[in-house]
Amino acid sequence: GESVGLHLPTLSVQEGDNSIINCAYSNSASDYFIWYKQESGKGPQFIIDIRSNMDKRQGQRVTVLLNKTVKHLSLQIAATQPGDSAVYFCAETSFDTGRRALTFGSGTRLQVQP
Amino acid sequence: NAGVTQTPKFQVLKTGQSMTLQCAQDMNHEYMSWYRQDPGMGLRLIHYSVGAGITDQGEVPNGYNVSRSTTEDFPLRLLSAAPSQTSVYFCASRPRSGIHNEQFFGPGTRLTVL
Repeated sequence: GESVGLHLPTLSVQEGDNSIINCAYSNSASDYFIWYKQESGKGPQFIIDIRSNMDKRQGQRVTVLLNKTVKHLSLQIAATQPGDSAVYFCAETSFDTGRRALTFGSGTRLQVQP
Repeated sequence: NAGVTQTPKFQVLKTGQSMTLQCAQDMNHEYMSWYRQDPGMGLRLIHYSVGAGITDQGEVPNGYNVSRSTTEDFPLRLLSAAPSQTSVYFCASRPRSGIHNEQFFGPGTRLTVL
């Protein structure tokens, strides 16, 4: 069953297009950021992370961009596939808290149209 | 390895009832956490533990108790359930030396309080 609500921002893309999901954060002390993917009825799954001393990091088909000046994070998914349909969350943490606690954003639902 | 397991998967309670949500992991992880996820929102940290015998409060601890008598188990107790506690609950674990890219989430428990 659904594990997230019905009022999330939704990004709808065509299969094969690139997707860009955005996230704003508020804590200037945050120095480590993560993107999670959550499929219906499942727990969040790690996608990619980035430290605050970087502004870009690439993985397999995914890229995370960090703009600390405006406290903005984005996740780019190349050649989006139907299996990418899910809710995507950014999360932040800081060295000050011993990185023990994650603060999550509210999420974006990605719908991939075949 | 089974990873992080949670029971039950679904639960309906009446206001004022008590119950315990179970969480277990077989990866010998020191860190364990409980989150709740409400519609349209990201996960919020309830309680966490950095090792057996040690627990601490997260962002939304009121109405919940935890204990950590073993490395493997981290139960979450609701002493007197309230409708505001209707949510999906996720347990997570990671090794002490790891960072959040090594955090694993359980499948979740969907709780409804009438």
